[in-house]
Amino acid sequence: DAKTTQPPSMDCAEGRAANLPCNHSTISGNEYVYWYRQIHSQGPQYIIHGLKNNETNEMASLIITEDRKSSTLILPHATLRDTAVYYCIASGYNQAGTALIFGKGTTLSVSS
Amino acid sequence: GAVVSQHPSRVICKSGTSVKIECRSLDFQATTMFWYRQFPKKSLMLMATSNEGSKATYEQGVEKDKFLINHASLTLSTLTVTSAHPEDSSFYICSARRDRLNYGYTFGSGTRLTVV
Repeated sequence: DAKTTQPPSMDCAEGRAANLPCNHSTISGNEYVYWYRQIHSQGPQYIIHGLKNNETNEMASLIITEDRKSSTLILPHATLRDTAVYYCIASGYNQAGTALIFGKGTTLSVSS
Repeated sequence: GAVVSQHPSRVICKSGTSVKIECRSLDFQATTMFWYRQFPKKSLMLMATSNEGSKATYEQGVEKDKFLINHASLTLSTLTVTSAHPEDSSFYICSARRDRLNYGYTFGSGTRLTVV
C-alpha cells in the first residue's frame, strides 16, 4: 500500500468547512484513496473513497488531484460531532483480501 | 448499509484465562475479515486476515498461538486471546468488506479487553 502523509492535527470552527489534506505521492494506478474517521473508543467509520474522479456523498466530498499524488477531504459544514481522528489510506481495491493499513491520521478538533 | 457487529464491547478477565471476541457481518457475506489492535492514542495495527474456511494470515510479530482466529462461516469470525496477560489489554477491532465493487470496508465497534 502507498504511504500517506497527513498533518497531525487541525482545528475548525463549527459551521465552517473542514478541509483535510493528504499526500500519497507513491500511489499506484490501481490504488484507491479511502477516508475513515474514528471517534474516541469506537470503530472507524467509513466516509468516502475514490480512484480518480472527485466524489461526493452525504457526509463529505473527496477531491483528488489530477496526478493523484494528493487529495483533500471536505466536510462542508463541520459540527462538534465531527471531532475525530481522520485517516487517509491508499490501498489496492481489487483484491478482497487486501486489508486497510492505517497511518497516524489527522486529529480534527471542531469548536464552537 | 453494511453492518458489522462485534461482541462483547467490553470484557474484563483474569490473567491466564481465555477470551473470545466475535465479529459478525449482519447483512452481507464476507469471505475475508480483518482483525486490528489499537493501543491508547495510537493508530490501528493490523493483526491478521481471517479467511473463511482456511487458516488466518498473521502479520509479522503477532503470535498465532496466542491470538486464535476462526472464520467458520461467511458471516462470523472469532478472535480468541488465549492465556491472557495484562499486556494483552487493548482495544480490538474487526473489519469486513463486501465482496463486490464500490463498497468500503466496514468496521465493528471494537472490544475493550482488560486483563487483571
